[in-house]
Amino acid sequence: GEDVEQSLFLSVREGDSSVINCTYTDSSSTYLYWYKQEPGAGLQLLTYIFSNMDMKQDQRLTVLLNKKDKHLSLRIADTQTGDSAIYFCAESNQGGKLIFGQGTELSVKP
Amino acid sequence: EPEVTQTPSHQVTQMGQEVILRCVPISNHLYFYWYRQILGQKVEFLVSFYNNEISEKSEIFDDQFSVERPDGSNFTLKIRSTKLEDSAMYFCASGGVGYTFGSGTRLTVV
Repeated sequence: GEDVEQSLFLSVREGDSSVINCTYTDSSSTYLYWYKQEPGAGLQLLTYIFSNMDMKQDQRLTVLLNKKDKHLSLRIADTQTGDSAIYFCAESNQGGKLIFGQGTELSVKP
Repeated sequence: EPEVTQTPSHQVTQMGQEVILRCVPISNHLYFYWYRQILGQKVEFLVSFYNNEISEKSEIFDDQFSVERPDGSNFTLKIRSTKLEDSAMYFCASGGVGYTFGSGTRLTVV
């Protein structure tokens, strides 16, 4: 079945770039997403990329998609302490049901 | 910015009781979803709902679960005869590609 995998933890210093990686198995994925979850809050959509794109940039966020390797990454430039959260990668086929990774906890140290 | 609203934020129930989790999706959205996250595990898809009927459901969504859109604004998840393993955070979502999640209801079955 479909699966999405992420590393569990990432620690960076404030001002550095963070790169969160994700791999997925479903070759028919149409959309790939990054969601952010702060403590006690819901899942906030950060960005998504259509599967025929290689890259998408939105302010401090850059998403890279390697469809051949089924690898997705999220780069956060100039990481701030407010970026500390859990980041979830997810994929869907035709925009319906989402398959989530287990989330990467990003810790930003001052 | 429009929000998906879920109530209650936390519900404690005794094993065997029925619970109803409530959601108010974003008003012009047509697709609605329920997901759950058991502590320490991935966010899992339960069910999607479109045009007043279930469009897709997971293996988890068995006869114990049901969804309803009782009026033009609410979308509910009913869990009959709750079990200890139903304890989880339940998220409602609405929208199309890149949909919006609510803040969740933490269900604790004791």
